[in-house]
Amino acid sequence: KAGVTQTPRYLIKTRGQQVTLSCSPISGHRSVSWYQQTPGQGLQFLFEYFSETQRNKGNFPGRFSGRQFSNSRSEMNVSTLELGDSALYLCASSGDYLDTQYFGPGTRLTVL
Amino acid sequence: GENVEQHPSTLSVQEGDSAVIKCTYSDSASNYFPWYKQELGKGPQLIIDIRSNVGEKKDQRIAVTLNKTAKHFSLHITETQPEDSAVYFCAAPALHKVTFGIGTKLQVIP
Repeated sequence: KAGVTQTPRYLIKTRGQQVTLSCSPISGHRSVSWYQQTPGQGLQFLFEYFSETQRNKGNFPGRFSGRQFSNSRSEMNVSTLELGDSALYLCASSGDYLDTQYFGPGTRLTVL
Repeated sequence: GENVEQHPSTLSVQEGDSAVIKCTYSDSASNYFPWYKQELGKGPQLIIDIRSNVGEKKDQRIAVTLNKTAKHFSLHITETQPEDSAVYFCAAPALHKVTFGIGTKLQVIP
């Protein structure tokens, strides 16, 4: 089976811009979770989607949003980028939330 | 919400020695505890997990122990090798959300 794929792998944006990141889960997986990883804060949960429904959301401002499509692919969007949004954004898929999560390689976002 | 504390944050061991990383969690309803290894430039990869109906699980040089009463679980790596050098994360899933520990950077010195 192909693993979790994330595109793009690297992204450079400037403050105020918006960005959309994409995640394709492992075939058959319906749960997709997103995380922000920074050196100081570790892995922070952003949100989890299952069958196109957001089931939980972390403590991030409304500038962070996401969605999931009928084929389980997911996107996350960050609007009005700030310098502090620079991070590695990781996507993980699983059959359901208590199943093993498989992570993608991440998208490295740099905000200048 | 769930709180997961992990320590130590860094750990250096000589090749061949053992390494132990410990985590505590707050939500007594948690019953699944995975451990992930993250190498530079890659996403975390599951290395071992344990469910609350067992107290210990082994997979070759890696073992995990769970004490539900004390709400802590530990990762044990024996006969460490240089390729074990990475960042290790514990995690405790709650309702539709997984909380991770801060991570332990393990360095195995040849």
